[in-house]
Amino acid sequence: QLQLQESGPGLLKPSETLSLTCSVSGGSISSINHYWVWIRQAPGKEPQWIAGIYYTGNIYYYNPSLNSRVTISVDTSKNQFSLRLTSVDVADTAVYYCARRGKGGSPLPGAFDIWGQGTLVTVSS
Amino acid sequence: DIQVTQSPSSLSASVGDRVSITCRTSQSVMSYLSWYQQKPGKAPKLLIYSASTLQTGVPSRFTGSGSGTEFTLTITSLQPEDFATYYCQEGHGNPYTFGLGTKVDIK
Repeated sequence: QLQLQESGPGLLKPSETLSLTCSVSGGSISSINHYWVWIRQAPGKEPQWIAGIYYTGNIYYYNPSLNSRVTISVDTSKNQFSLRLTSVDVADTAVYYCARRGKGGSPLPGAFDIWGQGTLVTVSS
Repeated sequence: DIQVTQSPSSLSASVGDRVSITCRTSQSVMSYLSWYQQKPGKAPKLLIYSASTLQTGVPSRFTGSGSGTEFTLTITSLQPEDFATYYCQEGHGNPYTFGLGTKVDIK
């Protein structure tokens, strides 16, 4: 059974860079039917999609509202993908989830079917 | 961006009730609409994808309907474990947008 696990620092200061890694176990990240994504959820708010990447690494998408600060990458040799968010601010405080999304034309198009447990990232001076 | 409007924002219901939640999108998303259930401290759980397809393992009391810009999640005969927050999510635009959520609590 495929599982996702986020890892990374839980506390950052404003202007620092957030780096998170998602480890995929129980299956391969090299799936032709899926994108691998990051989603965050601020306290009491709805989830917000941040970015997604295909296992080849050359197809990726960013939320336009975060585009200038976000980088997503994939390492198929480690079965991992990562998120980098620069110049964090208190507004970036949230639970960050990694998840799997079905590609268009796949059995679950556009849906996030498997999620990690989430990791709380707090930005505070 | 595609705007997603979910209603109501909250509702109170009793075990055994039938409840419906509506999601409207600002432009057509065809059938790229999913529904999630979230309990406190947990990740969202996929219930329905492609507007009306039940995810494996989800009880049949959950049904989804709609296409284009208007969608509905219905829970027939609400069970104690169904008290949670529900989100819709469109999977057609960029970014992929979630609704603000509907909190279902006990009357």
